[in-house]
Amino acid sequence: KAGVTQTPRYLIKTRGQQVTLSCSPISGHRSVSWYQQTPGQGLQFLFEYFSETQRNKGNFPGRFSGRQFSNSRSEMNVSTLELGDSALYLCASSLSPTPGQPQHFGDGTRLSIL
Amino acid sequence: AQTVTQSQPEMSVQEAETVTLSCTYDTSESDYYLFWYKQPPSRQMILVIRQEAYKQQNATENRFSVNFQKAAKSFSLKISDSQLGDAAMYFCAYRATSGTYKYIFGTGTRLKVLA
Repeated sequence: KAGVTQTPRYLIKTRGQQVTLSCSPISGHRSVSWYQQTPGQGLQFLFEYFSETQRNKGNFPGRFSGRQFSNSRSEMNVSTLELGDSALYLCASSLSPTPGQPQHFGDGTRLSIL
Repeated sequence: AQTVTQSQPEMSVQEAETVTLSCTYDTSESDYYLFWYKQPPSRQMILVIRQEAYKQQNATENRFSVNFQKAAKSFSLKISDSQLGDAAMYFCAYRATSGTYKYIFGTGTRLKVLA
């Protein structure tokens, strides 16, 4: 069974641009969560989607948005990029949003802002 | 607000020895899940072990076990017979069973295994 697939693996952007990251969950998984990972802050929760609906949102500005499609694939978008947005963005999927469900992570997209 | 604290940024252990990674959390909830995830260098994060708060028995998965002290809000991970492949970042995580259900992760502990 294929794992969680994130594309692209690496991105280099400049300040003020926008970016879209993609995540394909494990087949059959309907819940997708996004995280920002930085060396100093660890993993910060961005948002969680289930059945095309955002269920939870972390404490990030409105420049960070996401969506989920009917096939459970998800995208996140960051507009007006800032230097501080440089990070590894991880996507995780699970069968459902039930709290005890383990999450399966992708390799991440490393975003660098110049 | 719930928080998760990993006070050891880095630890080392000799191969075949035992090491314990610490995690404390703060919550007013009575039921929740606690997790340990492992992130090897340049590899995917994977679940190591999971504990539900209402279960008093400590979870065990092969060489990995936890010491869950609910009253003290402590959730440490013990790795027995450490192997070179155990070298990784280890993250402690919390998720409530009610309310917002958000995952909250600690900042991680980097474990080095010495041959």
